[in-house]
Amino acid sequence: QSALTQPRSVSGSPGQSVTISCSGTSSDVGGYDYVSWYQQHPGKAPKLMIYDVSERPSGVPDRFSGSKSGNTASLTVSGLQAEDEADYYCCSYAGSYTFVFGPGTRVTVL
Amino acid sequence: QVQLVESGGGAVQPGRSLRLSCAASGFAFSSYGMHWVRQAPGQGLEWVSFSWYDGNDKYYADSVKGRFTISRDNSKNTLFLQMNSLRAEDTAIYYCARDNRIFGATSPDYWGQGTLVTVSS
Repeated sequence: QSALTQPRSVSGSPGQSVTISCSGTSSDVGGYDYVSWYQQHPGKAPKLMIYDVSERPSGVPDRFSGSKSGNTASLTVSGLQAEDEADYYCCSYAGSYTFVFGPGTRVTVL
Repeated sequence: QVQLVESGGGAVQPGRSLRLSCAASGFAFSSYGMHWVRQAPGQGLEWVSFSWYDGNDKYYADSVKGRFTISRDNSKNTLFLQMNSLRAEDTAIYYCARDNRIFGATSPDYWGQGTLVTVSS
């Protein structure tokens, strides 16, 4: 149950796009299409933004998109807005009904 | 709407036990798997445990295996986490979360607000 790898931080100006990577192995990210992404503002509970690699729950803006290639998944936030400043975590199914999270990425809106 | 409310957190000495509860409402609790996820102060999220929708199968992170037990009472729409032999490194906010897939196990979707567990002498 090794943690996934994410960049510590990314930043962008309002209106720009940022992409967060989430690297794993063939035993987690690369082996299943069950990668999810969560947004967490300080002092708040995580909120699901993307599930099943690229699916968006209702109510999540279409500025948020997900993809996967091999053992690496990505979350892209297009048209960056001030309220997008938060921590973002990826999560992957890791087999045998276990799950693993990444360490989180702080997104800063400049 | 889906609501998850955790309770039972508090301060406890190393080696002692604590039982967390998660009251669910707004969805068919007995049809969904449920997760516990924790977050140490200033740290990232760590998956802790998953219970299949009927409670018959349970899974744990290596860091808590043998010490924590997940259970559920579908008649009362409540999820539990029994935590024994607590260690300082178990200090965290504990969140319960519903799985995204009915009768499945794919990813947490709805989360509660969490309950803080502090393990210290």
